Amino acid sequence: AQSVTQLGSHVSVSEGALVLLRCNYSSSVPPYLFWYVQYPNQGLQLLLKYTSAATLVKGINGFEAEFKKSETSFHLTKPSAHMSDAAEYFCAVIENTNAGKSTFGDGTTLTVKP
Amino acid sequence: EAQVTQNPRYLITVTGKKLTVTCSQNMNHEYMSWYRQDPGLGLRQIYYSMNVEVTDKGDVPEGYKVSRKEKRNFPLILESPSPNQTSLYFCASSPKLFGEGDYGYTFGSGTRLTVV
Repeated sequence: AQSVTQLGSHVSVSEGALVLLRCNYSSSVPPYLFWYVQYPNQGLQLLLKYTSAATLVKGINGFEAEFKKSETSFHLTKPSAHMSDAAEYFCAVIENTNAGKSTFGDGTTLTVKP
Repeated sequence: EAQVTQNPRYLITVTGKKLTVTCSQNMNHEYMSWYRQDPGLGLRQIYYSMNVEVTDKGDVPEGYKVSRKEKRNFPLILESPSPNQTSLYFCASSPKLFGEGDYGYTFGSGTRLTVV
């Protein structure tokens, strides 16, 4: 069975500082991993996805994530936080053996201080 | 504009009164899915559909029904709503779920349901 754990339900950084949001997954087969962002009162928007083509994935708004199989991790990073990055971020996993089933983490709320 | 449209955006209803939340996508996507979002619990999948007339249960299907008679529509039905179904609901669609290429779920704006 697949599962996702996001470490830290709240992360606070200063504007211009590094953003690091942690995601660990559990999957019995090679997973497909995603990061989504949710701004207040909106639906989720895809930030980036891991497809096995490359372990370092670049997404929108300057975010990137690195797939590390040995650590079963897919952490999201951004070198320099901007006020507009304040939102809730979700990591998600899909196993290709059960293509319809998707599992999301509990979410991490990012606060950016001026 | 490519989008997933949910209606209504807000709904307050009483226990036991059947309701339907509609979801429609204009992107000809194969996959559609319903989620509920509750504080501290992230998104939990209710039902998903891989194509017309093909649906399956997610992690929290109890108390819900779905149908996929047309590719573009995937309504969520609550036959007898209860207060524990008070939540924020999202519909999403995707052309496929994995592999290479352009994919990933496009989400609707959400339906906030309150059952009293």
